[in-house]
Amino acid sequence: NAGVMQNPRHLVRRRGQEARLRCSPMKGHSHVYWYRQLPEEGLKFMVYLQKENIIDESGMPKERFSAEFPKEGPSILRIQQVVRGDSAAYFCASSPPSTSEQFFGPGTRLTVL
Amino acid sequence: AQSVTQLGSHVSVSEGALVLLRCNYSSSVPPYLFWYVQYPNQGLQLLLKYTSAATLVKGINGFEAEFKKSETSFHLTKPSAHMSDAAEYFCAVSPGFTGGGNKLTFGTGTQLKVEL
Repeated sequence: NAGVMQNPRHLVRRRGQEARLRCSPMKGHSHVYWYRQLPEEGLKFMVYLQKENIIDESGMPKERFSAEFPKEGPSILRIQQVVRGDSAAYFCASSPPSTSEQFFGPGTRLTVL
Repeated sequence: AQSVTQLGSHVSVSEGALVLLRCNYSSSVPPYLFWYVQYPNQGLQLLLKYTSAATLVKGINGFEAEFKKSETSFHLTKPSAHMSDAAEYFCAVSPGFTGGGNKLTFGTGTQLKVEL
């Protein structure tokens, strides 16, 4: 059973461009969480999704950020018009229903020039 | 609301010495507590978790942690450090699994250095 997959592992964007980060959960996992890790800080919760539904987006910035988890395919975290402050590591975690444990992917490291 | 405080952003121990990483939490509901380890440029790996069963929890790689409600603490220990333990360690709290999800609130991390 493959682990949580994230791609790309490294992404470089110029200010004003769009960034798309992908997360494929483990097989059988229908819950996806996105976290952001800024330099020298811990991880901060961004959004929690189930298939085709956003359940909790209380950690998402109000503008430019969006997330989806379609019926088919990976979960996508989209950042429009990136700014230098968006440079961070973005981690996805997945879990099966009714369990407390989350399995983390290797992360996508976004650098905004 | 929940929060986690990890005392000591950097801890250095000698190989073979006791490892003690401190974590205190705040939670308005009975918490679930977790310790994760992160190696450079990698994701997080779960070391152990407390989910309201036994208060002394044993995890992988010889680590264990004790939930102390009276002290709101969940400190991580290992009797004898190994060079391979050098990594960053994160304590995290969640409200327990609910229909609204199980989002984790992390501490700021403790970088463990192991010296010969």
